[in-house]
Amino acid sequence: QQQVKQSPQSLIVQKGGISIINCAYENTAFDYFPWYQQFPGKGPALLIAIRPDVSEKKEGRFTISFNKSAKQFSLHIMDSQPGDSATYFCAATNTGTASKLTFGTGTRLQVTL
Amino acid sequence: GAVVSQHPSWVICKSGTSVKIECRSLDFQATTMFWYRQFPKQSLMLMATSNEGSKATYEQGVEKDKFLINHASLTLSTLTVTSAHPEDSSFYICSARTLGQGARDGYTFGSGTRLTVV
Repeated sequence: QQQVKQSPQSLIVQKGGISIINCAYENTAFDYFPWYQQFPGKGPALLIAIRPDVSEKKEGRFTISFNKSAKQFSLHIMDSQPGDSATYFCAATNTGTASKLTFGTGTRLQVTL
Repeated sequence: GAVVSQHPSWVICKSGTSVKIECRSLDFQATTMFWYRQFPKQSLMLMATSNEGSKATYEQGVEKDKFLINHASLTLSTLTVTSAHPEDSSFYICSARTLGQGARDGYTFGSGTRLTVV
């Protein structure tokens, strides 16, 4: 019930291309879905987050698409750049219960020239 | 706003000794903090949740006597790895719940501590 499944495990995208990472959850009580970017040796940093009352949120080159009925959400990175090469984690939680984040397994993105 | 400072960023210690990692909220009060452990190329594994002034809640399988967590103030939580052994070598990350603090994110992370036990 608490799992968040993330795919793919790794992704190679050419510079300028679109990177797409998918996540699926089971707990319908989740109401906050953030995406984190992590570089080696650093803590995760928030990229973008969404609440289930909207189907899409865009911030710069990053877009979250959210499908409540399918219990799925995805991260799209437009015009991918070599500097985007990092590990990306989706997560979910129920904010009303002051609950912990449930993380996906992570996606290692490599953007090639 | 909502900065979490974690120290040290890396530490090497001898087997059998104890190591303390500090996590401070610099510009807000952190009533709830989380401690994670991360192995190479893996996701973050929650070790425990600490609330200021009360005992930490440990996740299943985490030895509370080995990983001592103290959250004595609203701006400081510490993780002490006691009698460290090489298998405790890992990347430890703290996080503070920042919902309602005017932060962009509901959970703000420290920069992590790389612990190597030799």
